[in-house]
Amino acid sequence: QQQVKQSPQSLIVQKGGIPIINCAYENTAFDYFPWYQQFPGKGPALLIAIRPDVSEKKEGRFTISFNKSAKQFSLHIMDSQPGDSATYFCRERNTGGFKTIFGAGTRLFVKA
Amino acid sequence: NAGVTQTPKFQVLKTGQSMTLQCAQDMNHEYMSWYRQDPGMGLRLIHYSVGAGITDQGEVPNGYNVSRSTTEDFPLRLLSAAPSQTSVYFCASSMLQGRAGELFFGEGSRLTVL
Repeated sequence: QQQVKQSPQSLIVQKGGIPIINCAYENTAFDYFPWYQQFPGKGPALLIAIRPDVSEKKEGRFTISFNKSAKQFSLHIMDSQPGDSATYFCRERNTGGFKTIFGAGTRLFVKA
Repeated sequence: NAGVTQTPKFQVLKTGQSMTLQCAQDMNHEYMSWYRQDPGMGLRLIHYSVGAGITDQGEVPNGYNVSRSTTEDFPLRLLSAAPSQTSVYFCASSMLQGRAGELFFGEGSRLTVL
């Protein structure tokens, strides 16, 4: 049973726009919330991650916002570029556990 | 630094054939795992290992076997391939302490079962 709901499934924005991708989770024992970026034909790579004791984290043009009460975290891409076109996955991991759950992925296309 | 290396990159099998997907990492990571990626379903955990000699099942283990005889290698075996196992397979590794949780992925193995 899927415990992580990622939305939207796909997203098209103009260059310079701010795409927002959301992940909703059920298990409050999750302790680590990363986002991965995957280009076609490649494996996913860690983009940015947050722990539940902070509400926001920025790295360059990428920001994670975390809403513990709503059990949701989001990825924002500021000033999006065509090179950001990729599939993005959220992921959760149980505290002290080794099993991990990925969201279904969001395919982002940034128009030039 | 090679990171996580998967072989082969592409493979076509007939139903009932067996094969092994190889995974090797050179980062001395304790944790290694296998995922399959299917359209619209994200990455699903097949098996994982937290050290040599220790393996456990993930979300979708049926039809797959693993072993971990060394820290570096974590092969995935398909004993009798089925068309439902057509997928892209990814191997990933991470530390257990410190920056634990940051998974490093290989470039994937695309398997087609006819």
